[in-house]
Amino acid sequence: AQTVTQSQPEMSVQEAETVTLSCTYDTSESDYYLFWYKQPPSRQMILVIRQEAYKQQNATENRFSVNFQKAAKSFSLKISDSQLGDAAMYFCAIPTWGNKLVFGAGTILRVKS
Amino acid sequence: DVKVTQSSRYLVKRTGEKVFLECVQDMDHENMFWYRQDPGLGLRLIYFSYDVKMKEKGDIPEGYSVSREKKERFSLILESASTNQTSMYLCATLTDMNTEAFFGQGTRLTVV
Repeated sequence: AQTVTQSQPEMSVQEAETVTLSCTYDTSESDYYLFWYKQPPSRQMILVIRQEAYKQQNATENRFSVNFQKAAKSFSLKISDSQLGDAAMYFCAIPTWGNKLVFGAGTILRVKS
Repeated sequence: DVKVTQSSRYLVKRTGEKVFLECVQDMDHENMFWYRQDPGLGLRLIYFSYDVKMKEKGDIPEGYSVSREKKERFSLILESASTNQTSMYLCATLTDMNTEAFFGQGTRLTVV
């Protein structure tokens, strides 16, 4: 069965600093997407960044970037120049065989001013 | 702008009631999902559907059923609500090429 593991229940970062959220996963597929979603207090899930497994280059979206290690099945999210608005729950997710979308347990990110 | 709409943002029901949670999408996606979200447990998949009238059990289907009579609508049914079904429920769709998931705003259900 496909699984997604986020080992950090909570993380804290000082405003303007950098933080990295960890995610490991298990899949038997060779080509797939990986996602990081953000859930602020409003509860609306927002796509932060997406990585295609067959692309060796790590995805980047402004202050957000990933460190994708396919062999290690690791997909971490780096947030640079953290802002107060980054405070949220972050979920790592992978669509699996049969189009089943699997999520990790989430990491609460707190940003200190 | 793509939309996934859940019928209620907050719901309070009594133990034993039959509860319907509705989800409607306007993106013509085949794949739709129902999750429940509980602190420390992340999003757990209840049921998903890959086509009209097709459904598959997720990881925690007990106590729930689903209905998908039209492509745009996916309903979650609690046959006889119990207090342990108090939770946040999220509906989602997935693009046909698995490139992105879209979510409703969530329904916080309280069973008393």
